[in-house]
Amino acid sequence: AQSVTQPDARVTVSEGASLQLRCKYSYSGTPYLFWYVQYPRQGLQLLLKYYSGDPVVQGVNGFEAEFSKSNSSFHLRKASVHWSDSAVYFCVLSNQGGSAKLIFGEGTKLTVSS
Amino acid sequence: AQTIHQWPVAEIKAVGSPLSLGCTIKGKSSPNLYWYWQATGGTLQQLFYSITVGQVESVVQLNLSASRPKDDQFILSTEKLLLSHSGFYLCAWSRLGSSAETLYFGSGTRLTVL
Repeated sequence: AQSVTQPDARVTVSEGASLQLRCKYSYSGTPYLFWYVQYPRQGLQLLLKYYSGDPVVQGVNGFEAEFSKSNSSFHLRKASVHWSDSAVYFCVLSNQGGSAKLIFGEGTKLTVSS
Repeated sequence: AQTIHQWPVAEIKAVGSPLSLGCTIKGKSSPNLYWYWQATGGTLQQLFYSITVGQVESVVQLNLSASRPKDDQFILSTEKLLLSHSGFYLCAWSRLGSSAETLYFGSGTRLTVL
């Protein structure tokens, strides 16, 4: 079965600190993986996506993620967070082929404290 | 540039009353369209998708229906609301229906059913 797990429902970090948001997936093949961000009372925006090639993918606003097939993980990282990064982050899995059927993780709410 | 507009921004409705939510995409012909539902503080669940006018596929049965009367318009509706329909409804579009496509989300409609 396909699934996405974000083990941390809430994460709090200090401004300027580094960040890692964890994502584990379950999929029999090589998945397409995305990170989306949702700011308060808004829709979602794409941060980055992976579907082949270099396992480290760069996204917007200094975010990057690393795909690991052996660990079934796609963790999101940022070297130095800003207060404006406070939002909910969703790890998303897409099956290969067919229409875009996305499986969303439960989301991690990030709070950046000053 | 493409824009996506959802209406209304928020609704408060009584149980058993009808509902109609709308979504319009401008600047992109023949987009793939999606409706997602997000419970308060929860993850996203795909409800419907459409690849062309007049054709809608249901992903999850929640006593809701969707229609695509025009190329740029996607409507979500029900004749009788349930308490469980409360939440955040998001419309999204993609260029193609493939699994690697980025989804572009609207700002959402917050529905409260009393």
